[in-house]
Amino acid sequence: DGGITQSPKYLFRKEGQNVTLSCEQNLNHDAMYWYRQDPGQGLRLIYYSQIVNDFQKGDIAEGYSVSREKKESFPLTVTSAQKNPTAFYLCASSMLSGSYEQYFGPGTRLTVT
Amino acid sequence: RKEVEQDPGPFNVPEGATVAFNCTYSNSASQSFFWYRQDCRKEPKLLMSVYSSGNEDGRFTAQLNRASQYISLLIRDSKLSDSATYLCVVNPVDSSYKLIFGSGTRLLVRP
Repeated sequence: DGGITQSPKYLFRKEGQNVTLSCEQNLNHDAMYWYRQDPGQGLRLIYYSQIVNDFQKGDIAEGYSVSREKKESFPLTVTSAQKNPTAFYLCASSMLSGSYEQYFGPGTRLTVT
Repeated sequence: RKEVEQDPGPFNVPEGATVAFNCTYSNSASQSFFWYRQDCRKEPKLLMSVYSSGNEDGRFTAQLNRASQYISLLIRDSKLSDSATYLCVVNPVDSSYKLIFGSGTRLLVRP
């Protein structure tokens, strides 16, 4: 089945540690995205990538980093510089033509204490 | 003003009721519009795309009013399983692949 996978589903880290969230898709989509969702709020764009080895900052990129070495993979690193890292992180992908609907993975719930 | 605004609700309706949500957007040049559904602690899932004058899918009807810059979602014959948060999503024309998400409207359907 085609889809987007994210791992792990739940992640707990101590403050000051970097952590990397995985996102893989087999939909053959060109574009991939990372969002953050806080309770009662909408999705905020962290980073996005249209093509391998290229990515752009979204609205809240500070304290995060990404890489896009393969079309299928777009990992997100939450660094110790991110002031409020506890959140629900969602990865999505889309085509770059047509209607641009985005399809989401199941998300990773990160808790930093 | 937010780029996409929704009434957060919750809308609490009995099973079988008809309920409508509205969403306003600020960029008059926006071209594509979507409704997503998000269950508690889950990822958003595409419910409907909305093009030109709107479209219908079973019990769900989406309408677009470009003059007033709003889109609506109508749910007829509500089911308990319709309980979720409904996200209004807009594709601004100046960025062909980025989507702007509203904060969502929560729907509770009671027996």
